[in-house]
Amino acid sequence: KNQVEQSPQSLIILEGKNCTLQCNYTVSPFSNLRWYKQDTGRGPVSLTIMTFSENTKSNGRYTATLDADTKQSSLHITASQLSDSASYICVVSALGSNYQLIWGAGTKLIIKP
Amino acid sequence: DAGVIQSPRHEVTEMGQEVTLRCKPISGHNSLFWYRQTMMRGLELLIYFNNNVPIDDSGMPEDRFSAKMPNASFSTLKIQPSEPRDSAVYFCASSTGGIPTNTGELFFGEGSRLTVL
Repeated sequence: KNQVEQSPQSLIILEGKNCTLQCNYTVSPFSNLRWYKQDTGRGPVSLTIMTFSENTKSNGRYTATLDADTKQSSLHITASQLSDSASYICVVSALGSNYQLIWGAGTKLIIKP
Repeated sequence: DAGVIQSPRHEVTEMGQEVTLRCKPISGHNSLFWYRQTMMRGLELLIYFNNNVPIDDSGMPEDRFSAKMPNASFSTLKIQPSEPRDSAVYFCASSTGGIPTNTGELFFGEGSRLTVL
């Protein structure tokens, strides 16, 4: 069964610190993996989209990594800011299912001053 | 661009009433999606339109739910009659392309929070 699991479920860190969020998936055959940021009360916003051949992709202070062999991805946030407080959702797409995205449950990140 | 526009942002209604949620996709986007988000189940795809045609409605929970896209700039999601278990945030999203490419980016609206009493 195609699944996406994220860890931790929630995380609290101090402003200025770095953190790493994890995503494991069992989706096969793999097409691409996305990370979304969802602020409270808002819609998800795309951070990165990674295909099979991409190992690392950055978007400002956000860096996503992908290991297609172990079916793992991580999202690293550098020098966290209060505005980084949000849920971060890992989403995976399978080949042949262009519009069917498998959504993880998300990691709720809280940045404290 | 104004992004995906949804209305209403909040809706509180009583069980049995009809609810209509509205969505205006980004101009030029020809794929439109309706999602539902709850704490228990996360984000679930309800229905997908491509070029105004419903392609996959297998996620629509039951016959009480219906969706239309009469033109490229407007879509509705209707629940009739509404039930308390329909309480959730309903998101509309749009993207470019035909059947979206595998790396097509989804742009979400701000959502409609529905509470059915």
